[in-house]
Amino acid sequence: QKEVEQNSGPLSVPEGAIASLNCTYSDRGSQSFFWYRQYSGKSPELIMSIYSNGDKEDGRFTAQLNKASQYVSLLIRDSQPSDSATYLCAVGGGNTNAGKSTFGDGTTLTVKP
Amino acid sequence: GAVVSQHPSWVICKSGTSVKIECRSLDFQATTMFWYRQFPKQSLMLMATSNEGSKATYEQGVEKDKFLINHASLTLSTLTVTSAHPEDSSFYICSANSALEQYFGPGTRLTVT
Repeated sequence: QKEVEQNSGPLSVPEGAIASLNCTYSDRGSQSFFWYRQYSGKSPELIMSIYSNGDKEDGRFTAQLNKASQYVSLLIRDSQPSDSATYLCAVGGGNTNAGKSTFGDGTTLTVKP
Repeated sequence: GAVVSQHPSWVICKSGTSVKIECRSLDFQATTMFWYRQFPKQSLMLMATSNEGSKATYEQGVEKDKFLINHASLTLSTLTVTSAHPEDSSFYICSANSALEQYFGPGTRLTVT
């Protein structure tokens, strides 16, 4: 089992729809959770951090964390074609990763006009 | 967010030569930096963790004598690809921790001919 698993994708949604990206992790001691966006040919960009259970909203993005279920998600409302990218889930602060974040393989999102 | 720079952004070198890539944290100090490699349409692969003032920690399967890492100051880490071969052609990305969050540089695209 991978330490951080994401929807295999690709995920395609129409413009204006809600895109839902999911991630599960295996290290129950994990304390920090991140979502990165990576456009093709570019490096990852941090878009959301979440540290406690519940929802965290930033503009059109909402991160949801459920530590009991070891699950973190990212919702993108009113999806735009410019949101088309690969989204990486990263988990840190656990017992096995010595201060570094562990990344999932990413889910590629395409928003169709 | 914190800013990480990399230089050069792209480099072409001949097989057998060495290439040095610099990673700088511009507005914060980073005791720990990370080096990743990413092949087209593949996941990020962590190569090594660079610790200021001490030896780097390499991931399993990464040749430490081929990929030399030096973290001489709190704002600079360098990766030298020694005796480069065409199979070393890839996108190399560094990142640094600012508090709990990990920020990525823009990446260096290496092509070995």
